[in-house]
Formats: sequence, C-alpha cells, structure tokens
Amino acid sequence: DTAVSQTPKYLVTQMGNDKSIKCEQNLGHDTMYWYKQDSKKFLKIMFSYNNKELIINETVPNRFSPKSPDKAHLNLHINSLELGDSAVYFCASSHELAGGSDEQFFGPGTRLTVL
Amino acid sequence: GNSVTQMEGPVTLSEEAFLTINCTYTATGYPSLFWYVQYPGEGLQLLLKATKADDKGSNKGFEATYRKETTSFHLEKGSVQVSDSAVYFCALTLANAGGTSYGKLTFGQGTILTVHP
Repeated sequence: DTAVSQTPKYLVTQMGNDKSIKCEQNLGHDTMYWYKQDSKKFLKIMFSYNNKELIINETVPNRFSPKSPDKAHLNLHINSLELGDSAVYFCASSHELAGGSDEQFFGPGTRLTVL
Repeated sequence: GNSVTQMEGPVTLSEEAFLTINCTYTATGYPSLFWYVQYPGEGLQLLLKATKADDKGSNKGFEATYRKETTSFHLEKGSVQVSDSAVYFCALTLANAGGTSYGKLTFGQGTILTVHP
C-alpha cells in the first residue's frame, strides 16, 4: 500500500564499512531521486534517475553509487563510510511532466549513523 | 545559480495564531514553486504549489501566492493548530528552454514551526 518505501529505516555502522539503502515505488513513476538531509534539516538532491538512466549527479563523492535495476527501484550503495555521511537519506519519485511542476512523493527516510 | 531563502526559525505560536513563513527565490527562467511539509519522523509531503506568476496555491487552510515582481512565495495560514507543528520547506523546480524539466527540487533551509495549545 505504501507509495515510496525505503529499507532500512535506521542504519548504524562503523566508519569504513560499505552499506546499501533500498528504495521502491509502486506509483508507476518514471523518475526517482535521492536526497540527503543533514542535522540542520537542510535537504539537497544527490541523484536523479529517469527510466533507469542517470540524469542528475550533484557532485556527490564517488563512494556513493546509485543503481536502478528497473523503473520502480533506486538503490543507494555507499562505500567506505565516513562520519560526515551521517544523515537522513530520502528517496522520492515523480512522473516526468513538462514544466517541472509535478509533485515528488517522498519515502519515510533512512537515518544513517556512522560511528 | 538557483536558490531559495526562507525566514529563520524556529517559529513558536499559540493555537489559532496567524502564521507567515517568508520565502524568496533566485532563479533563471520560469520556476515552479512549492511548499513541502515534514511532520516529525516522516518524509516530506507536498502542501501546495504554484506554477506561474500570480497563481495561488492552497491546501488545508494554508495559502501562498507566486509573486514574480518580488520573487516571493510566502506561506500563510489564518489560524494554526497544534497538528500543524512540523518543518516547512519552500522549494523550486526549473523548466529548461524546451519546457521540460528533470524535476530537480532546490530547497530552502526549512522552518521549524511549533504550535502550543
């Protein structure tokens, strides 16, 4: 029933580890996104995929690698985790309508804590 | 580049008070403007939007008018409730010259609203 789901909801790990966050949407949307929200609530886009093709890559370190096996999934893999990666990561999806006025639907977030 | 600036928070109000959260933007081209709301422990959800100058978005008693002349999209509500306590984000997306957009949302820094009974 959930429109955009993410797993896990919480992720606590040690520096240097590799981890993945999964995202799935059942809305039939063509475009999916990853956003990072820092401790001050500031939100910034990381990646955008349209029909499994990378569209936006916002100067994110190459330790972060998104993977879209199909239109409904966009996973985020992070290598060699650093303390500064601690944040809440949100997945989102939308149709791709002309004009960019389409609503984005957000998942519940994954709180990543790197120790 | 494109940017969104919101009034500093946090904002604390009593129930039934009037709310204004200021938002101004800088953009090249023709942005669509949004207000998203994030309730505690949840993801963001769209509150309202406006896609061209002088449009007014409204939802759940909240309103915002797209003012091109002042590059603003201020959020207002006449009488807030405790259940309105949340973080509010102003945001924009930008269409390219062809009228299509990759939908990249540029957010303001968020304003924390707390409403007391």
